[in-house]
Amino acid sequence: AQSVAQPEDQVNVAEGNPLTVKCTYSVSGNPYLFWYVQYPNRGLQFLLKYITGDNLVKGSYGFEAEFNKSQTSFHLKKPSALVSDSALYFCAVRDLPSGNTPLVFGKGTRLSVIA
Amino acid sequence: DTAVSQTPKYLVTQMGNDKSIKCEQNLGHDTMYWYKQDSKKFLKIMFSYNNKELIINETVPNRFSPKSPDKAHLNLHINSLELGDSAVYFCASSRTSGTQYFGPGTRLTVL
Repeated sequence: AQSVAQPEDQVNVAEGNPLTVKCTYSVSGNPYLFWYVQYPNRGLQFLLKYITGDNLVKGSYGFEAEFNKSQTSFHLKKPSALVSDSALYFCAVRDLPSGNTPLVFGKGTRLSVIA
Repeated sequence: DTAVSQTPKYLVTQMGNDKSIKCEQNLGHDTMYWYKQDSKKFLKIMFSYNNKELIINETVPNRFSPKSPDKAHLNLHINSLELGDSAVYFCASSRTSGTQYFGPGTRLTVL
């Protein structure tokens, strides 16, 4: 069975500092990994995904994520945080290449960027 | 142009009532989903339809019945609403095995 762990409920970072939001996963096959962001009272917005290829994936709003197979991790990063990045971030995983396997979400990490 | 839209955005109703939430996508995707987000923000898949056929049906009470009249629509009907059904319900769509795009959500409050 697939699972995702986001070990931090809350991450606080000062504006302009680098940020990392952690994610580890467990799948039986090869992982198909995603990050989504949810702003207050809004739906989830897709940030980036990893299927195959380069371990460093670049996404929207200056975010990137690094796939590490040996550590089964897919941490979200940004070199310089903005106050507007404050939101709830979800990591998600599904097994490749099954089309019928559901996307499994982590419990979310609330990012707070302080001016 | 809204890619995935849901109506209504807010739904307040009494216990025991029956209600529906509608979802439409204009992305040309062949797969649509319903997710439930509880008060702790935990997201869980409820149903998935591919080309109007039910392909994922997680452990959900049979009071919840999805209906897909065509590939662009997936509606969620809930019978005999209970307090525990209060949550935010998100619709999403994708190409088969592709990235899922989410609607804005419907906040259901059962009194």
